[in-house]
Parts: sequence; C-alpha cells; structure tokens
Amino acid sequence: QKEVEQNSGPLSVPEGAIASLNCTYSDRGSQSFFWYRQYSGKSPELIMSIYSNGDKEDGRFTAQLNKASQYVSLLIRDSQPSDSATYLCAVAVSGNTPLVFGKGTRLSVIA
Amino acid sequence: EAGVTQFPSHSVIEKGQTVTLRCDPISGHDNLYWYRRVMGKEIKFLLHFVKESKQDESGMPNNRFLAERTGGTYSTLKVQPAELEDSGVYFCASSRGAHSPLHFGNGTRLTVT
Repeated sequence: QKEVEQNSGPLSVPEGAIASLNCTYSDRGSQSFFWYRQYSGKSPELIMSIYSNGDKEDGRFTAQLNKASQYVSLLIRDSQPSDSATYLCAVAVSGNTPLVFGKGTRLSVIA
Repeated sequence: EAGVTQFPSHSVIEKGQTVTLRCDPISGHDNLYWYRRVMGKEIKFLLHFVKESKQDESGMPNNRFLAERTGGTYSTLKVQPAELEDSGVYFCASSRGAHSPLHFGNGTRLTVT
C-alpha cells in the first residue's frame, strides 16, 4: 500500500514568517514529487515539482527532497495571508503511474 | 486556454439512484484522470484515460462505477446505483503527456442521502 503522510494541521504562522510543510512517503521507488495548493472549494493547483535530491527554489517557494529519508518538504518564505490554503503532497513512482496524494496540510497565515 | 471543466458542480441524489458526472479536459490533452476525495480522506486515484482508451482503472472501487471517454474528448463517470459511501468530491484532471503537470477541474461534490 503506497502511502503519503502529511500532518493535517492547521499550521498557523504569522505574516512574513517561513511556513514549513512536511511530507513522508512509503514507496522507496518513488521518482516524482509534487506540491499542490488548494483553496477551499477550488481545484488543486500545482505549485512545485521536484525529481532529484536537494532544494528547488521558485520565488518564495522552496521544495526539498531527501530520497534516503523518504521525505519531501515545502518552505514558503515571507508568508502572506493569501497563502492560506490546503497544501497537498503528491508522489508518483514513474510518469506512467497515478499520483498518490497525502491528506493535505491546512496552512493559516495570520495577518 | 480554458481549464478543465466539470459538471455539475454539486449533485444530491438518493441511495439507489444514478448520477453521471462529466469532465471536459483542456483541449489537446490526451491524458484524463478521475480522482475522488471522500470527507476526511486523501484524494484517491480512480482511473486514467489516454485518448479514448482506459490506461489504468485500478482505482475504480467496484462495478457500480463506469467511466467512458468516447472519441477521446470529454469523459463521463456514471455511478449506478449510488450508495451512501460514494459521497465525496470527484475531481477530473488532464495533462498533455504522461510526464506533464496535471490540471484539475473544480470537482463535483456528490452527496448520496
């Protein structure tokens, strides 16, 4: 049973702080890792993808992957109230296998 | 470009009735996926079309669920007869290729009473 685990939260951070979202996965053969953001009542929106160990930065977002520890994280710098949403971690073994999602972490950025 | 559209946005039906959900993927996207989120649970894969062919239907819960994608354009997901445990949000997603990012629709919230 392939599993992706996330702390459901809510994770509350003050505006301007760094939000750290964590995800672990069970399938050691996983190759592709994604972070989706979902606002209430809206569709999941891809914000980051990462495929190799290390950090990947895109604007205020940094994804970190450690395959040895089966751990992927998302850092959001200078958090804004508009970042308040549920963040979904998704993992795939290969490009031809379906994404396996975590339950998501609800982030609340307090102004 | 227009995004993935799903219809209806909400559906409330009684146990034993039939419901058909529709998904229009982004034009040109050969890959179409159905996912479901039951309250309190994670989003779970149901099935994957490549054009009109079912690539992977390993996530379909049982034979009360039937998905079609005639002509390789829009897709329908029929639940017949619906049971209480079928309640949840059904998401459709599409991508241009197998390695391309998924674009999700807003989902259909199904409530079976």
